Amino acid sequence: ELKVEQNPLFLSMQEGKNYTIYCNYSTTSDRLYWYRQDPGKSLESLFVLLSNGAVKQEGRLMASLDTKARLSTLHITAAVHDLSATYFCAVAPFNYQLIWGAGTKLIIKP
Amino acid sequence: GAGVSQSPRYKVTKRGQDVTLRCDPISSHATLYWYQQALGQGPEFLTYFNYEAQPDKSGLPSDRFSAERPEGSISTLTIQRTEQRDSAMYRCASSSGPNNEQFFGPGTRLTVL
Repeated sequence: ELKVEQNPLFLSMQEGKNYTIYCNYSTTSDRLYWYRQDPGKSLESLFVLLSNGAVKQEGRLMASLDTKARLSTLHITAAVHDLSATYFCAVAPFNYQLIWGAGTKLIIKP
Repeated sequence: GAGVSQSPRYKVTKRGQDVTLRCDPISSHATLYWYQQALGQGPEFLTYFNYEAQPDKSGLPSDRFSAERPEGSISTLTIQRTEQRDSAMYRCASSSGPNNEQFFGPGTRLTVL
């Protein structure tokens, strides 16, 4: 069975702190995506990770991919309130079809 | 267009009625996807198009669901004889190719009473 598991599903943290969201998947995939969703809004692409060892950074967010462990991480550095959102990871075992995690709801308190 | 657009944004219908949802992808994008997203969950794949071809419709929940993209641009998703369990957010995405990054529209929130 194809599974994409995110951990944690809910995270409340203080501004200025660091934290990591984990995404484990059960099948081989040569690509992994991270998306952000604000309440009532659409899904915004954050990162596309294409190979083992890939690391991408944008502002306070950094994503990495370990295809051997079937694990991706999304690291938040010195969190700010504007990063509050739900973060989804998705893999593409069948090229076009994305298999999604359940999402991690992140709340950052001032 | 500049981004993916969907209409209507909200649709309330009575059980048993048919509904048609529309997606207008990014104009240069060959590939178009339909997803269903329940509250608090990630999207689930329904079907996709490469231009006007529909290579995979395995995610459609039943034969009440159908999708078209007759000219390889705008697509419609039709749900016949709607049921309450069809209530969800329906999202459309497009990409320049089947393996490429997907850009999502705002979604249509369907409520079946």
